[in-house]
Amino acid sequence: QVHLQESGPGLVKPSETLSLTCTVSGGSVGSSSHYWNWIRQTPGKGLEWIGYAYFTGITNYNRSLRSRVTISIDTSKNQFSLNLESVTAADTAVYYCARDSRSGNFDFWGRGTLVTVSS
Amino acid sequence: DIQMTQSPSSLSASVGDRVTITCRASQRISILLNWYQQQPGKAPKLLISAASTLQSGAPSRFSGIGSGTDFTLTINSLQPEDFAYYYCQQSYSSPWTFGQGTRVEIK
Repeated sequence: QVHLQESGPGLVKPSETLSLTCTVSGGSVGSSSHYWNWIRQTPGKGLEWIGYAYFTGITNYNRSLRSRVTISIDTSKNQFSLNLESVTAADTAVYYCARDSRSGNFDFWGRGTLVTVSS
Repeated sequence: DIQMTQSPSSLSASVGDRVTITCRASQRISILLNWYQQQPGKAPKLLISAASTLQSGAPSRFSGIGSGTDFTLTINSLQPEDFAYYYCQQSYSSPWTFGQGTRVEIK
């Protein structure tokens, strides 16, 4: 069974960079069969797909966040990471990591981590 | 971006009821529509992919149908564990987008 676990600071100051890591067990981020995604959820905007990374280094980002987002994969640690720059209160959300079998649906998710942007 | 609109936004039902949730896409998406269930405080769980393919482990009382722009999720004989939020999501074109959700409450 694939298991994903998010980790990172729960509080980030405005204008700083939000950084989260997803550790994968029971599967490999080096798999040619999967994309590794970040998705966030807020009460106001609902579920928002942020982007994904593939083991080759290919990435695909939501155009609404593209200028601020980087997703990267570390196959040696079986992890992938999210960096979101220049955050504002609007970036306060529960952030999920999720696996996608290259079909655009998300079959395994982490439990989610709440990140609050506040000074 | 493709907009996904669910209706209703919430509904009240009793155990044993049949429940139907509708999802409409702002453009045609073939059958590339997925349904998720989310329990309070938990991550969404994939229930149905490609409009009608029930995921392994999902109860057979869940079914989906549709193509193009209009899709339906049906729950036959609602069970206590089915009271949750349900979301549709299109996987036709990036960025992948979700509906706003439907809350299924106990009557």
